[in-house]
Amino acid sequence: NAGVMQNPRHLVRRRGQEARLRCSPMKGHSHVYWYRQLPEEGLKFMVYLQKENIIDESGMPKERFSAEFPKEGPSILRIQQVVRGDSAAYFCASSRDRDGGNQPQHFGDGTRLSIL
Amino acid sequence: AQTVTQSQPEMSVQEAETVTLSCTYDTSENNYYLFWYKQPPSRQMILVIRQEAYKQQNATENRFSVNFQKAAKSFSLKISDSQLGDTAMYFCASLSYSGAGSYQLTFGKGTKLSVIP
Repeated sequence: NAGVMQNPRHLVRRRGQEARLRCSPMKGHSHVYWYRQLPEEGLKFMVYLQKENIIDESGMPKERFSAEFPKEGPSILRIQQVVRGDSAAYFCASSRDRDGGNQPQHFGDGTRLSIL
Repeated sequence: AQTVTQSQPEMSVQEAETVTLSCTYDTSENNYYLFWYKQPPSRQMILVIRQEAYKQQNATENRFSVNFQKAAKSFSLKISDSQLGDTAMYFCASLSYSGAGSYQLTFGKGTKLSVIP
């Protein structure tokens, strides 16, 4: 049973380019969460999605960042016009139901985004 | 807002010894969950142990156990018989309802644990 799959593992972009990060949840999971980890920091919540719906985006920067989880295919975190400060590890997690603690979030291996 | 504080940026322990990692948190929720995650050099996030706040009994998973002091809002992790594979960053996290339709995990800044042969 495959876990949460994120790709690419490493992504390098130049300032001003777009970055697209993909996340395929575990089989049977329909809830996806994105987190960002800056160097020497813990993970910080960005957004929570169910299929075709953004439920909570309270942790997303207001500009340049967007996320989607279409009916078919992986969840996508999109960063437009990247800047140096976007360099971080981006983790995706999934759960079977809305995570109330009894349905722990399972994490992918992360995508390391480097901005030149 | 939730806050999670890990006051020990780095710790080390001799192989086979016991080590305790500290964590305090702040929440206004009555029902919440607490977690310890391990992040080895490979950078995966691995769930180590989970505690439900309404349960008084401390959670245990093999060599890993917690000391949950609800009144003090303290949630420490004890690793017994430390092994070289325990070398990793350890993150304490709390889960509670965000009020915006989801349960959010709030992480501390982590403790870097080194197990010395």
